[in-house]
Amino acid sequence: EAQVTQNPRYLITVTGKKLTVTCSQNMNHEYMSWYRQDPGLGLRQIYYSMNVEVTDKGDVPEGYKVSRKEKRNFPLILESPSPNQTSLYFCASSPTARGHTIYFGEGSWLTVV
Amino acid sequence: AQKVTQAQTEISVVEKEDVTLDCVYETRDTTYYLFWYKQPPSGELVFLIRRNSFDEQNEISGRYSWNFQKSTSSFNFTITASQVVDSAVYFCACDYKLSFGAGTTVTVRA
Repeated sequence: EAQVTQNPRYLITVTGKKLTVTCSQNMNHEYMSWYRQDPGLGLRQIYYSMNVEVTDKGDVPEGYKVSRKEKRNFPLILESPSPNQTSLYFCASSPTARGHTIYFGEGSWLTVV
Repeated sequence: AQKVTQAQTEISVVEKEDVTLDCVYETRDTTYYLFWYKQPPSGELVFLIRRNSFDEQNEISGRYSWNFQKSTSSFNFTITASQVVDSAVYFCACDYKLSFGAGTTVTVRA
């Protein structure tokens, strides 16, 4: 089954404790991205990757890091989480960046206290 | 800055009423794609439709229909004879930087 898998789905953590949200897709997609969803703001792009070893900042990259060492994986790293990073996070993938349906993971609810 | 504008924050209707969601986009590209996604209360994002900028023919799929007007940069979505199960947040998106609108929350009351 074609899917985008995120883990963890739910997490409560403390300020400053590094965490990683993993994302994996099994569709051999070149393009992957991370979004955060906040009330009234919709989905805002954090980082995206056009292919292996190619990543770039989206609209709200501050406080986040990513890496794309393999085509299928695109982890989101919060080196020192802060309460304003409490949000719902979505990983997405697509065959390429333009013109294709975007497939989303189920979302990761992250709370930083 | 967002390139997709969904001016309606919330819409509440009674079952069987029609609902139209507005979407206005901004892009510098001559070729682009537009999308609508639905997010039910369970939280996942469900793909509804994709339309490319060369195809201005409007589409109907069951109770859903879409009105794409390139001249006004709009890609509106209508739910005909709404049902309670249509209650969700609906997002419009443009693949210029994969920008999403802020979403419109639709509540259908029985």
